[in-house]
Amino acid sequence: GDSVTQMEGPVTLSEEACLTINCTYTATGYPSLFWYVQYPGEGLQLLLKATKADDKGSNKGFEATYRKETTSFHLEKGSVQVSDSAVYFCALSDGGGSEKLVFGKGTKLTVNP
Amino acid sequence: NAGVTQTPKFQVLKTGQSMTLQCAQDMNHEYMSWYRQDPGMGLRLIHYSVGAGITDQGEVPNGYNVSRSTTEDFPLRLLSAAPSQTSVYFCASSYGRQGEAFFGQGTRLTVV
Repeated sequence: GDSVTQMEGPVTLSEEACLTINCTYTATGYPSLFWYVQYPGEGLQLLLKATKADDKGSNKGFEATYRKETTSFHLEKGSVQVSDSAVYFCALSDGGGSEKLVFGKGTKLTVNP
Repeated sequence: NAGVTQTPKFQVLKTGQSMTLQCAQDMNHEYMSWYRQDPGMGLRLIHYSVGAGITDQGEVPNGYNVSRSTTEDFPLRLLSAAPSQTSVYFCASSYGRQGEAFFGQGTRLTVV
């Protein structure tokens, strides 16, 4: 079945450091790929998405590129801030829509001042 | 704009008790889903619905029932709670297959 594997962390960085969270996937079709973010005590929010190969999703300084050849969707940010501290989830939707998301295990990011 | 509202936020149950987790959305979304979040496991799909009167099972449906009598509401029923159902439960809704999924704030359930 479909699956998502992401760097488990936790990841601790200093403010203004570069961030990369790795995400790879297994899917039978042509999935859409997502990054969701969960701030403490809250539900998940969509951070960015890409629906086909070579698409780049971006939002709030975060970027991820859909790489079909390596089945990857790594999350990157050039300069993190304390407010980026959260849990980040990579997810896919394979042929189905947003009602059937498959999530990775999540990566907890802590950014220190 | 309330979005997706889940009640209650916290609940403690005894083994064998039943209860219903409520989920309501005010965005006229067709699609609604229930997930459970366990440490080190990410989120796993329990049940989902693509419209009123239509529901289907996800990855981990055992021990849970759902119904969708209106577009707005999608309650999740635990028939006989077990400690293995201790988890954080999230409801989500989306408009159309490619629409963004909006999540509620979650219900933290403990079964003792």
